Amino acid sequence: AQSVSQHNHHVILSEAASLELGCNYSYGGTVNLFWYVQYPGQHLQLLLKYFSGDPLVKGIKGFEAEFIKSKFSFNLRKPSVQWSDTAEYFCAVMSWVINTGTASKLTFGTGTRLQVTL
Amino acid sequence: ETGVTQSPTHLIKTRGQQVTLRCSSQSGHNTVSWYQQALGQGPQFIFQYYREEENGRGNFPPRFSGLQFPNYSSELNVNALELDDSALYLCASSLAKTGELFFGEGSRLTVL
Repeated sequence: AQSVSQHNHHVILSEAASLELGCNYSYGGTVNLFWYVQYPGQHLQLLLKYFSGDPLVKGIKGFEAEFIKSKFSFNLRKPSVQWSDTAEYFCAVMSWVINTGTASKLTFGTGTRLQVTL
Repeated sequence: ETGVTQSPTHLIKTRGQQVTLRCSSQSGHNTVSWYQQALGQGPQFIFQYYREEENGRGNFPPRFSGLQFPNYSSELNVNALELDDSALYLCASSLAKTGELFFGEGSRLTVL
Protein backbone atom coordinates (compact mmCIF):
# COMPACT_ATOMS: atom_id res chain seq x y z
CA ALA A 1 0.00 0.00 0.00
CA GLN A 2 1.15 3.50 -0.70
CA SER A 3 2.27 5.81 2.07
CA VAL A 4 3.93 9.18 2.53
CA SER A 5 6.12 10.28 5.43
CA GLN A 6 6.85 13.85 6.33
CA HIS A 7 9.31 13.87 9.18
CA ASN A 8 9.28 17.58 9.93
CA HIS A 9 6.05 18.34 11.73
CA HIS A 10 6.72 21.94 12.67
CA VAL A 11 9.46 24.13 11.24
CA ILE A 12 10.25 27.68 12.35
CA LEU A 13 12.47 29.84 10.16
CA SER A 14 13.43 33.45 9.95
CA GLU A 15 12.73 35.37 6.77
CA ALA A 16 15.40 34.83 4.09
CA ALA A 17 16.42 31.48 5.54
CA SER A 18 16.58 28.49 3.22
CA LEU A 19 13.94 25.79 3.45
CA GLU A 20 13.98 22.06 2.90
CA LEU A 21 11.03 19.89 3.87
CA GLY A 22 11.44 16.15 3.73
CA CYS A 23 9.09 13.73 2.02
CA ASN A 24 9.53 10.00 1.60
CA TYR A 25 7.02 7.80 -0.19
CA SER A 26 6.23 4.17 -0.65
CA TYR A 27 4.41 3.12 -3.82
CA GLY A 28 4.90 0.20 -6.18
CA GLY A 29 3.44 1.70 -9.34
CA THR A 30 4.25 4.63 -11.59
CA VAL A 31 5.24 7.44 -9.28
CA ASN A 32 3.45 10.75 -9.52
CA LEU A 33 4.23 13.14 -6.69
CA PHE A 34 2.78 16.42 -5.52
CA TRP A 35 3.34 19.15 -3.01
CA TYR A 36 0.29 21.09 -1.85
CA VAL A 37 0.16 24.14 0.39
CA GLN A 38 -2.66 25.18 2.69
CA TYR A 39 -2.55 28.79 3.84
CA PRO A 40 -4.59 29.60 6.96
CA GLY A 41 -8.29 29.57 6.11
CA GLN A 42 -7.70 28.77 2.46
CA HIS A 43 -8.06 25.74 0.21
CA LEU A 44 -5.30 23.34 -0.70
CA GLN A 45 -3.26 24.71 -3.57
CA LEU A 46 -0.87 22.86 -5.84
CA LEU A 47 2.74 24.01 -5.48
CA LEU A 48 4.32 21.60 -7.93
CA LYS A 49 4.08 18.10 -9.34
CA TYR A 50 6.32 15.41 -10.75
CA PHE A 51 5.07 13.02 -13.41
CA SER A 52 8.14 12.19 -15.47
CA GLY A 53 11.24 13.72 -17.02
CA ASP A 54 13.54 16.12 -15.22
CA PRO A 55 13.62 15.08 -11.57
CA LEU A 56 14.11 18.69 -10.50
CA VAL A 57 10.68 20.26 -10.62
CA LYS A 58 10.01 23.97 -10.33
CA GLY A 59 6.72 25.22 -8.99
CA ILE A 60 5.02 28.43 -8.06
CA LYS A 61 6.33 31.08 -5.66
CA GLY A 62 9.96 30.02 -6.05
CA PHE A 63 9.52 26.48 -4.71
CA GLU A 64 11.21 23.47 -6.22
CA ALA A 65 11.43 19.77 -5.43
CA GLU A 66 13.80 17.00 -6.40
CA PHE A 67 12.62 13.46 -7.09
CA ILE A 68 15.32 10.97 -6.05
CA LYS A 69 14.08 7.53 -7.01
CA SER A 70 16.85 5.65 -5.21
CA LYS A 71 15.94 7.35 -1.94
CA PHE A 72 12.15 7.32 -2.47
CA SER A 73 12.23 11.02 -1.70
CA PHE A 74 10.66 14.19 -3.03
CA ASN A 75 11.95 17.00 -0.82
CA LEU A 76 10.63 20.53 -1.15
CA ARG A 77 13.08 23.45 -1.21
CA LYS A 78 13.09 27.22 -1.34
CA PRO A 79 16.29 29.28 -1.21
CA SER A 80 14.82 32.18 0.73
CA VAL A 81 11.49 32.03 2.57
CA GLN A 82 9.14 34.93 3.13
CA TRP A 83 6.72 35.62 5.94
CA SER A 84 3.89 34.92 3.49
CA ASP A 85 5.11 31.32 3.14
CA THR A 86 3.72 30.57 6.59
CA ALA A 87 1.37 27.66 5.92
CA GLU A 88 0.89 23.89 6.11
CA TYR A 89 2.69 21.89 3.43
CA PHE A 90 1.59 18.45 2.29
CA CYS A 91 3.41 15.92 0.17
CA ALA A 92 1.27 13.38 -1.71
CA VAL A 93 1.60 10.42 -4.05
CA MET A 94 -0.97 9.61 -6.72
CA SER A 95 -2.40 6.12 -7.30
CA TRP A 96 -3.85 4.98 -10.61
CA VAL A 97 -6.77 2.69 -11.38
CA ILE A 98 -5.27 0.18 -13.79
CA ASN A 99 -8.39 -1.04 -15.56
CA THR A 100 -9.72 2.45 -16.34
CA GLY A 101 -6.39 4.23 -16.69
CA THR A 102 -7.70 6.99 -14.48
CA ALA A 103 -6.05 8.79 -11.65
CA SER A 104 -7.37 7.52 -8.38
CA LYS A 105 -6.48 8.84 -5.00
CA LEU A 106 -3.87 11.06 -3.46
CA THR A 107 -2.22 9.67 -0.37
CA PHE A 108 -1.07 12.58 1.75
CA GLY A 109 1.54 12.86 4.43
CA THR A 110 0.60 14.32 7.80
CA GLY A 111 1.87 17.73 6.78
CA THR A 112 4.56 20.15 7.91
CA ARG A 113 3.58 23.38 9.54
CA LEU A 114 5.97 26.13 8.46
CA GLN A 115 6.16 29.28 10.52
CA VAL A 116 8.27 32.13 9.15
CA THR A 117 9.21 34.88 11.56
CA LEU A 118 10.11 38.44 10.66
CA GLU B 1 -9.90 30.30 -6.91
CA THR B 2 -10.16 26.72 -8.15
CA GLY B 3 -13.74 26.82 -9.40
CA VAL B 4 -14.69 24.08 -6.96
CA THR B 5 -17.41 25.19 -4.57
CA GLN B 6 -18.66 23.39 -1.50
CA SER B 7 -21.66 23.87 0.73
CA PRO B 8 -22.30 24.36 3.52
CA THR B 9 -19.05 25.84 4.78
CA HIS B 10 -19.76 25.05 8.42
CA LEU B 11 -22.33 22.89 10.15
CA ILE B 12 -22.99 21.34 13.52
CA LYS B 13 -24.75 18.02 14.01
CA THR B 14 -25.35 15.66 16.90
CA ARG B 15 -24.41 12.01 17.17
CA GLY B 16 -26.67 9.70 15.20
CA GLN B 17 -27.81 12.34 12.76
CA GLN B 18 -27.23 12.29 9.03
CA VAL B 19 -25.49 14.94 6.92
CA THR B 20 -25.26 15.76 3.21
CA LEU B 21 -22.41 17.83 1.84
CA ARG B 22 -22.42 19.22 -1.68
CA CYS B 23 -19.77 20.01 -4.23
CA SER B 24 -19.80 21.73 -7.58
CA SER B 25 -16.87 20.72 -9.78
CA GLN B 26 -14.70 22.95 -11.88
CA SER B 27 -16.12 23.34 -15.36
CA GLY B 28 -14.97 20.56 -17.68
CA HIS B 29 -13.83 18.20 -14.94
CA ASN B 30 -15.31 14.70 -15.04
CA THR B 31 -14.02 13.28 -11.78
CA VAL B 32 -14.77 14.24 -8.20
CA SER B 33 -13.07 13.02 -5.05
CA TRP B 34 -13.83 13.48 -1.38
CA TYR B 35 -11.32 13.69 1.43
CA GLN B 36 -11.61 13.94 5.21
CA GLN B 37 -9.09 16.13 7.02
CA ALA B 38 -9.08 15.75 10.79
CA LEU B 39 -7.41 18.43 12.86
CA GLY B 40 -3.63 18.26 12.55
CA GLN B 41 -3.73 15.52 9.93
CA GLY B 42 -3.34 15.25 6.19
CA PRO B 43 -6.42 14.68 4.05
CA GLN B 44 -7.62 11.05 3.92
CA PHE B 45 -9.21 9.71 0.74
CA ILE B 46 -12.88 8.75 1.17
CA PHE B 47 -13.89 7.91 -2.40
CA GLN B 48 -13.86 9.08 -6.00
CA TYR B 49 -16.55 9.23 -8.65
CA TYR B 50 -15.92 9.03 -12.38
CA ARG B 51 -18.75 9.00 -14.90
CA GLU B 52 -21.23 8.79 -12.06
CA GLU B 53 -19.76 5.56 -10.66
CA GLU B 54 -17.51 4.97 -7.69
CA ASN B 55 -13.94 4.67 -8.98
CA GLY B 56 -12.12 3.88 -5.79
CA ARG B 57 -12.75 3.96 -2.07
CA GLY B 58 -10.62 4.52 0.96
CA ASN B 59 -10.85 2.91 4.37
CA PHE B 60 -14.19 4.39 5.36
CA PRO B 61 -17.30 2.48 6.49
CA PRO B 62 -20.41 2.11 4.29
CA ARG B 63 -22.22 4.85 6.22
CA PHE B 64 -20.11 7.18 4.08
CA SER B 65 -21.73 7.25 0.67
CA GLY B 66 -21.77 9.49 -2.34
CA LEU B 67 -23.27 10.45 -5.64
CA GLN B 68 -22.07 12.12 -8.79
CA PHE B 69 -24.65 13.77 -11.01
CA PRO B 70 -24.65 14.14 -14.82
CA ASN B 71 -23.39 17.71 -14.47
CA TYR B 72 -20.45 16.29 -12.46
CA SER B 73 -21.55 17.86 -9.20
CA SER B 74 -21.45 15.56 -6.20
CA GLU B 75 -22.79 14.80 -2.76
CA LEU B 76 -21.22 13.16 0.26
CA ASN B 77 -23.65 11.58 2.70
CA VAL B 78 -22.72 10.41 6.17
CA ASN B 79 -25.24 8.45 8.23
CA ALA B 80 -25.25 7.71 11.96
CA LEU B 81 -22.74 10.46 12.72
CA GLU B 82 -20.07 9.77 15.31
CA LEU B 83 -17.94 12.23 17.27
CA ASP B 84 -14.87 11.19 15.26
CA ASP B 85 -16.57 12.32 12.07
CA SER B 86 -15.83 15.90 13.11
CA ALA B 87 -13.44 17.14 10.43
CA LEU B 88 -12.98 19.29 7.37
CA TYR B 89 -14.45 17.54 4.32
CA LEU B 90 -12.73 18.43 1.08
CA CYS B 91 -14.03 17.98 -2.40
CA ALA B 92 -11.65 17.93 -5.35
CA SER B 93 -12.35 17.81 -9.05
CA SER B 94 -10.08 16.70 -11.84
CA LEU B 95 -9.82 15.29 -15.29
CA ALA B 96 -9.60 11.51 -14.98
CA LYS B 97 -6.50 11.10 -17.11
CA THR B 98 -4.38 13.92 -15.70
CA GLY B 99 -4.44 13.39 -11.97
CA GLU B 100 -4.13 17.01 -10.89
CA LEU B 101 -6.75 17.72 -8.24
CA PHE B 102 -8.33 21.10 -7.63
CA PHE B 103 -9.71 21.44 -4.12
CA GLY B 104 -12.61 23.39 -2.73
CA GLU B 105 -12.38 25.23 0.58
CA GLY B 106 -14.15 22.47 2.44
CA SER B 107 -17.10 21.92 4.70
CA ARG B 108 -16.26 21.91 8.38
CA LEU B 109 -18.44 19.43 10.24
CA THR B 110 -18.69 19.40 14.02
CA VAL B 111 -20.45 16.47 15.66
CA LEU B 112 -21.56 17.00 19.26
